[in-house]
Amino acid sequence: KQEVTQIPAALSVPEGENLVLNCSFTDSAIYNLQWFRQDPGKGLTSLLLIQSSQREQTSGRLNASLDKSSGRSTLYIAASQPGDSATYLCAAPGSYNTDKLIFGTGTRLQVFP
Amino acid sequence: DAGITQSPRHKVTETGTPVTLRCHQTENHRYMYWYRQDPGHGLRLIHYSYGVKDTDKGEVSDGYSVSRSKTEDFLLTLESATSSQTSVYFCAISEEYEQYFGPGTRLTVT
Repeated sequence: KQEVTQIPAALSVPEGENLVLNCSFTDSAIYNLQWFRQDPGKGLTSLLLIQSSQREQTSGRLNASLDKSSGRSTLYIAASQPGDSATYLCAAPGSYNTDKLIFGTGTRLQVFP
Repeated sequence: DAGITQSPRHKVTETGTPVTLRCHQTENHRYMYWYRQDPGHGLRLIHYSYGVKDTDKGEVSDGYSVSRSKTEDFLLTLESATSSQTSVYFCAISEEYEQYFGPGTRLTVT
């Protein structure tokens, strides 16, 4: 059964820092992994979908990598800003060839000025 | 936002009453999902649909039923609400394997 873990649960950094959020998963037979952002009281916003064939995906200051062999994905945020403060969630398919996602419990990020 | 709306956005109901939450999408997506989000558990899949009248159970389906009579609407029903069903409920659609979420419904069962 797929399990998704995110460490750390919370992170507080000063503005301008580059930071890495970690996501690990137990079943590496996946074909993609998705990163989301959630602001307090809001829905989830899709940030990046990374396919297993891609290994990396970039959007602006965000870069996500996927290493199936080690069961890990990282979300790199460059030059963090206070507006990046939110909870970041990763989600992996429950098994190969399924679109049913298993979510981690998220990393709550605070970027202070 | 993938054209997803949820209604109601907030609801307070009493234990034992039936409740129906609606998810509406405007872009003719085939795949739709209902999740619940609870502190310490993250998001968990309740039910999903692959098309009109084609639904199946997710991870936490007990106490919930769904219906999809039109492509654009996916309804989640709590037949007899319990306090353990107090949660935030999210609807999602899938497009090219990427899931997009609605704004959520906060349900409180007293």
